[in-house]
Amino acid sequence: GEDVEQSLFLSVREGDSSVINCTYTDSSSTYLYWYKQEPGAGLQLLTYIFSNMDMKQDQRLTVLLNKKDKHLSLRIADTQTGDSAIYFCAEKRADTGRRALTFGSGTRLQVQP
Amino acid sequence: DADVTQTPRNRITKTGKRIMLECSQTKGHDRMYWYRQDPGLGLQLIYYSFDVKDINKGEISDGYSVSRQAQAKFSLSLESAIPNQTALYFCATSSPGATGELFFGEGSRLTVL
Repeated sequence: GEDVEQSLFLSVREGDSSVINCTYTDSSSTYLYWYKQEPGAGLQLLTYIFSNMDMKQDQRLTVLLNKKDKHLSLRIADTQTGDSAIYFCAEKRADTGRRALTFGSGTRLQVQP
Repeated sequence: DADVTQTPRNRITKTGKRIMLECSQTKGHDRMYWYRQDPGLGLQLIYYSFDVKDINKGEISDGYSVSRQAQAKFSLSLESAIPNQTALYFCATSSPGATGELFFGEGSRLTVL
């Protein structure tokens, strides 16, 4: 498809793990990203993964990449209330020719105490 | 001070009015972007500029124009605002490095009545 797809909403309890999924569009995308948007703020880069990697871990964050299925996931271990935000998946598509990123619709993560 | 500053942060205007959103950055990046965010639709690219003399249309440029006044300044104009341009607008910058990470401003919320 043409769109980067994400589910719109995820609710978890504090201390549980969160898994946010994304299906991207371009099998030749070189970098895949996860951005976080807190209320009233712009997007901030959380982490990224290069396309020749299957997994990347950074403290509580684990990114898994399945190139065959064009599937990207973000796992947040021991989710905290401060993790409540909107999470955007993005890809650097080869067809744009200029490296502008293509974003998904965002997944709103709600962490319940 | 923020590295990417957008003004105004909030604006309410009427149909047919001309509106300018301004963006300035202190990161020294050559590349600047304007995105639009609508609930459930993620971010859509309006225009991008890779240097002062390089301006490119994004996915949804109709009804918008831009001006790159200097390396640090990139403004977005709505010549005749219409209600479906009500949205949250983000300016972003990037360096030409391989990862293509975007750095976002805090957003400008525009309401067109």
